[in-house]
Amino acid sequence: AQSVTQLDSQVPVFEEAPVELRCNYSSSVSVYLFWYVQYPNQGLQLLLKYLSGSTLVESINGFEAEFNKSQTSFHLRKPSVHISDTAEYFCAVSVIDGTSYGKLTFGQGTILTVHP
Amino acid sequence: NAGVTQTPKFQVLKTGQSMTLQCAQDMNHEYMSWYRQDPGMGLRLIHYSVGAGITDQGEVPNGYNVSRSTTEDFPLRLLSAAPSQTSVYFCASRKGGRELEGNQPQHFGDGTRLSIL
Repeated sequence: AQSVTQLDSQVPVFEEAPVELRCNYSSSVSVYLFWYVQYPNQGLQLLLKYLSGSTLVESINGFEAEFNKSQTSFHLRKPSVHISDTAEYFCAVSVIDGTSYGKLTFGQGTILTVHP
Repeated sequence: NAGVTQTPKFQVLKTGQSMTLQCAQDMNHEYMSWYRQDPGMGLRLIHYSVGAGITDQGEVPNGYNVSRSTTEDFPLRLLSAAPSQTSVYFCASRKGGRELEGNQPQHFGDGTRLSIL
């Protein structure tokens, strides 16, 4: 069975500082990888995804994540955060085994708090 | 375009009561799913459906029932509410059913916050 571990439950940073949210996964087969963001009292929104090809994927609001197959990681980074980036971030995987129908397995979540 | 709509947004139940959480999507998505979100545990899959008339269990199905009579609707039923079912419940949908392997992103509703006393 697959699993996802987000190594930090809370990450406080100051505005305009860089940030990295860490995600490691375990799976015996290939996976698709996702980062979702949840703002307070809202549902989850897709931030970015890795399906195949280039291992570095980017979002429209400046986040990027790099797929590292050897380390089974998919860390999320942003070089300069804004107050509006304060949210909870979830890493998720979908295994490619012909029977899982794209079910998502989520990590525990990382609360990013950006201070002025 | 409404996307995924969940009702109610908030609900308080007494132990032993039953209720149905409603979920509807207007994107003609084949795949729909229910998750519960608890602090420090991320989201856990309760039940999912790959099309009308087809449902299956996820990671934490005990105490919950689902049905899928139409493409648009996927209600979640709590049979006899227990305090352990206090949680935030999310419904999600995506394109594709059996033939796609999950490379499509899921679209989430805003959640139902459920308290069981």
